[in-house]
Amino acid sequence: AQSVTQLGSHVSVSEGALVLLRCNYSSSVPPYLFWYVQYPNQGLQLLLKYTSAATLVKGINGFEAEFKKSETSFHLTKPSAHMSDAAEYFCAVTGSGYSTLTFGKGTMLLVSP
Amino acid sequence: DAGVIQSPRHEVTEMGQEVTLRCKPISGHNSLFWYRQTMMRGLELLIYFNNNVPIDDSGMPEDRFSAKMPNASFSTLKIQPSEPRDSAVYFCASSNRDRANYGYTFGSGTRLTVV
Repeated sequence: AQSVTQLGSHVSVSEGALVLLRCNYSSSVPPYLFWYVQYPNQGLQLLLKYTSAATLVKGINGFEAEFKKSETSFHLTKPSAHMSDAAEYFCAVTGSGYSTLTFGKGTMLLVSP
Repeated sequence: DAGVIQSPRHEVTEMGQEVTLRCKPISGHNSLFWYRQTMMRGLELLIYFNNNVPIDDSGMPEDRFSAKMPNASFSTLKIQPSEPRDSAVYFCASSNRDRANYGYTFGSGTRLTVV
């Protein structure tokens, strides 16, 4: 069975600082991995995805993530946080058959001026 | 494309009443998913359809919940009778099973409050 662990339910950074949101996964098959962002009162929006091509994946809004098989990780980073990045971020992994996504509990990113 | 469209955006109902949530997936997408989001449990997959056929409903919490997809452009999630513990945000998502473009597109959700 597949699962996702997101370390830290809340992460606080200052504007301009590095953003690092951690995601570790467990999967019985080679995974596809995703990061989604959710702004208040909105649905989830795809940030980026890893689908067995390049291990360093670039997404929207300056975010990127690196797939590390040896560490079963897919951490999300952004060099310089902006106030508009404040939102909740979800990591997700495909299951066997690649039919469904299993989501982590989410990490709320707080950005202070 | 208008994206995944859910209605209503907000629903307040009394315990015991029937509630119907609606979803219109993206045209051309052949998979549809219903998720429930709560603070305690996060995002839970309730049921998903491929080509209008229910594939896995193991996430449906009780017999009070039912979902249908009568055609490729419409799905409903019904709760009858509703209970206060059903209060949550319900999301519909659709995808194209072409693996090269795999990924869900989510609707804006329906916030359900059962009083």
